[in-house]
Amino acid sequence: QKEVEQNSGPLSVPEGAIASLNCTYSDRGSQSFFWYRQYSGKSPELIMFIYSNGDKEDGRFTAQLNKASQYVSLLIRDSQPSDSATYLCAVNPSSGGSNYKLTFGKGTLLTVNP
Amino acid sequence: GAVVSQHPSRVICKSGTSVKIECRSLDFQATTMFWYRQFPKKSLMLMATSNEGSKATYEQGVEKDKFLINHASLTLSTLTVTSAHPEDSSFYICSAQPTSGGSNEQFFGPGTRLTVL
Repeated sequence: QKEVEQNSGPLSVPEGAIASLNCTYSDRGSQSFFWYRQYSGKSPELIMFIYSNGDKEDGRFTAQLNKASQYVSLLIRDSQPSDSATYLCAVNPSSGGSNYKLTFGKGTLLTVNP
Repeated sequence: GAVVSQHPSRVICKSGTSVKIECRSLDFQATTMFWYRQFPKKSLMLMATSNEGSKATYEQGVEKDKFLINHASLTLSTLTVTSAHPEDSSFYICSAQPTSGGSNEQFFGPGTRLTVL
């Protein structure tokens, strides 16, 4: 069974700090990785995706992928109270053009304290 | 770009009735759309994969005769919950995967909250 594991949290950080969210996956053949943010009562919103080992930065967000260790992480710099949400890690077994379904982790609840 | 809409956003119905939920990709074409269900404080559960012009693929444990999916065009998929019962009350969310572009991100609709009395 292909699994995606996340610490459910809650992860609590002070405003302005770096929040670090981690995710591990069991399918070694996984090719693409996604981070979604979900506010309470709302649907998920895509934050970032990453396909290659290393870091990918977009504004205050940095995704890190290590395929050898089968983990992907999301760093949020200068955390704001508006970042408080559940962050979902999702893994797709293939990259580019195919309609493969995503396997979601259960999400990590992040709370940023003012 | 990559906007997905759902209608209705909220529906309350009596037990035994059928409810249709529409999912539309507004600014892109989507050969594939996905339907999820999420119970309070639980994770997203994939119900089925909807492919334009062909039958949907249902996940294990999801009754295809109860959750009817139609994907008649590249921008519209519908989910019909037939003979709804209180245990079907949930947050139903669709996502769409752009046909072009070579990537496989999924963009989510805002969700439909179904309450069956």
